[in-house]
Amino acid sequence: QKEVEQNSGPLSVPEGAIASLNCTYSDRGSQSFFWYRQYSGKSPELIMSIYSNGDKEDGRFTAQLNKASQYVSLLIRDSQPSDSATYLCAVTFLSSGSARQLTFGSGTQLTVLP
Amino acid sequence: NAGVTQTPKFQVLKTGQSMTLQCAQDMNHNSMYWYRQDPGMGLRLIYYSASEGTTDKGEVPNGYNVSRLNKREFSLRLESAAPSQTSVYFCASSEGGGRRETQYFGPGTRLLVL
Repeated sequence: QKEVEQNSGPLSVPEGAIASLNCTYSDRGSQSFFWYRQYSGKSPELIMSIYSNGDKEDGRFTAQLNKASQYVSLLIRDSQPSDSATYLCAVTFLSSGSARQLTFGSGTQLTVLP
Repeated sequence: NAGVTQTPKFQVLKTGQSMTLQCAQDMNHNSMYWYRQDPGMGLRLIYYSASEGTTDKGEVPNGYNVSRLNKREFSLRLESAAPSQTSVYFCASSEGGGRRETQYFGPGTRLLVL
């Protein structure tokens, strides 16, 4: 059973602070790791992807991957009220054919307080 | 370029009724997916299609059938709806074939089964 676990939250941070979101996964064969943001009533949208150990930065977002510990995290610097959303961690494994199945965590709800 | 579109946006069914959820993408993607999202849970894969002419079961296929009508369209059918199928359904597509591919999601269909 391939599982993705996220810190359940909800998480509240003041505006301007760093928000830290964490995710662990069970399948050592996992190759690709994604963070999706989902606003209430909307569909998920990709904000970060990471494939190799270490850090990947994109603007205010930093994804961190540690395959040995089966751990991936997302840091949001200078958090803004517009960052308030549910953040979904997703992990891929090779399935039949050329499609890659995404396994999602249950999400962490983030609220940034003005 | 509309991306991934879904119809209808919202539907109410009575137990035992049938319906088909429609999904279309205009990005020339090979792979398409159907997910369901229940409150407090991440997305769970129902069925996917790695390429035109192929379909495979995901994590929660019971009670559903799919048809990959052509490269653009992938439909999800509920033959005899049950209250347990009340959920938000998302369709997604991706290029297919690469471990770094991104899945793009449609706006979702909210289904209520009474």
